[in-house]
Amino acid sequence: QSVLTQPPSVSGAPGQRVTISCTGSSSNFGAGYGVHWYQHLPGTAPKLLMYTDNNGYINRPSGVPDRFSGSRSGTSASLAITGLQAEDEADYYCQSYDSSLGGSIFGGGTKLTVL
Amino acid sequence: EVQLLESGGGLVQPGGSLRLSCAASGFTLSTYAMNWVRQAPGKGLEWVSGISGTEVSTNSADSVKGRFTISRDNSKNTLYLQMNSLRVEDTATYYCAKAVTGTRFALHIWGQGTMVTVSS
Repeated sequence: QSVLTQPPSVSGAPGQRVTISCTGSSSNFGAGYGVHWYQHLPGTAPKLLMYTDNNGYINRPSGVPDRFSGSRSGTSASLAITGLQAEDEADYYCQSYDSSLGGSIFGGGTKLTVL
Repeated sequence: EVQLLESGGGLVQPGGSLRLSCAASGFTLSTYAMNWVRQAPGKGLEWVSGISGTEVSTNSADSVKGRFTISRDNSKNTLYLQMNSLRVEDTATYYCAKAVTGTRFALHIWGQGTMVTVSS
């Protein structure tokens, strides 16, 4: 069981908006550690979608469409995808640092299906 | 072009050792935090180990602590993961990844991965 909890799956029709939640605890998000989000297609390397910089701001790497956005509040974080496209069908992972574990952690992953 | 190329994966018996390498090109590896991440068959991503940039501090997941060691050779611009006392559950594709400037774990450049199979 992951320290960061994600729903196993979400789905949406093309053009719709979906959100993927990532629930943490007082030793990661609650302690102020940032969240990073990845998109992972089978057989390929994960792709960084959103990341929190050292100032606590959530950034989108160049080349990532602005259809992707992220937020964090308290002990939770979320990734929103608007204008859903077929190419968005993939696994999505959140990541943070956990002070109790003394290292980085990934959520269990969420499979996004575009209907 | 910034690239990472892993090598060293393969089939090993339980209790054996392997050393993974990750050759960096297009940037100076020693000035960035670097990490190893793995994905077991049918499972999610698991962070394995990380090494900081200019200051050499390392940390590892509890699942590999005491068995795996991350290091780098600045003269070869290469990152390593020495894996000892391997277990069946270490079977996975191992990726090396470079962190975004100023962060330890926001991983924006990834290698293609190298497969490690631990089996008798």
